[in-house]
Amino acid sequence: AQSVSQHNHHVILSEAASLELGCNYSYGGTVNLFWYVQYPGQHLQLLLKYFSGDPLVKGIKGFEAEFIKSKFSFNLRKPSVQWSDTAEYFCAVRESGNTPLVFGKGTRLSVIA
Amino acid sequence: GAGVSQSPRYKVAKRGQDVALRCDPISGHVSLFWYQQALGQGPEFLTYFQNEAQLDKSGLPSDRFFAERPEGSVSTLKIQRTQQEDSAVYLCASSPVTPGLHFGNGTRLTVT
Repeated sequence: AQSVSQHNHHVILSEAASLELGCNYSYGGTVNLFWYVQYPGQHLQLLLKYFSGDPLVKGIKGFEAEFIKSKFSFNLRKPSVQWSDTAEYFCAVRESGNTPLVFGKGTRLSVIA
Repeated sequence: GAGVSQSPRYKVAKRGQDVALRCDPISGHVSLFWYQQALGQGPEFLTYFQNEAQLDKSGLPSDRFFAERPEGSVSTLKIQRTQQEDSAVYLCASSPVTPGLHFGNGTRLTVT
């Protein structure tokens, strides 16, 4: 069965610091990859997704992620975080097709002034 | 455009009670998914519908959990004889034919 590992449980950064959140998955076949964000009290929102093509994917709010197939990784990055980026971030993977997403346990990001 | 709507937003049930959680997906979305999110965890897959057909229910934790989508739109997740370990946020998501999940706000179930 697929699994998704998010290495950091809680990350605390100062405003303007750079962010990288790790995500590794276990499935060896063709995958679709996603990052979702959940702001306090709100529903899960899609940040970005990778299906095929350019492995560097740009999403909303200045986030990007790089798919490295050889490392089974899809790390999320942002060059300069803002206080409003404080949220929970979830990496998710699925085999190609409309199959269920498998989520990681999430990484809580706290951005302090 | 309305998103995925779930009701109730909060539900408190006494242990042993039955509960029914409702999901109104985005109109026209073929696929509908239910997930369970325990505190401090990521969402865990429960079940999946394509139109009215339940294609995968491998994630349902016990036979106390039952989901239906009789007309291929609204879905109901029913939990019979609730237990404390059922306390979680239950998320519904819908998707058009091309993949991309849209999540609702969830129903927070607390079993006392």
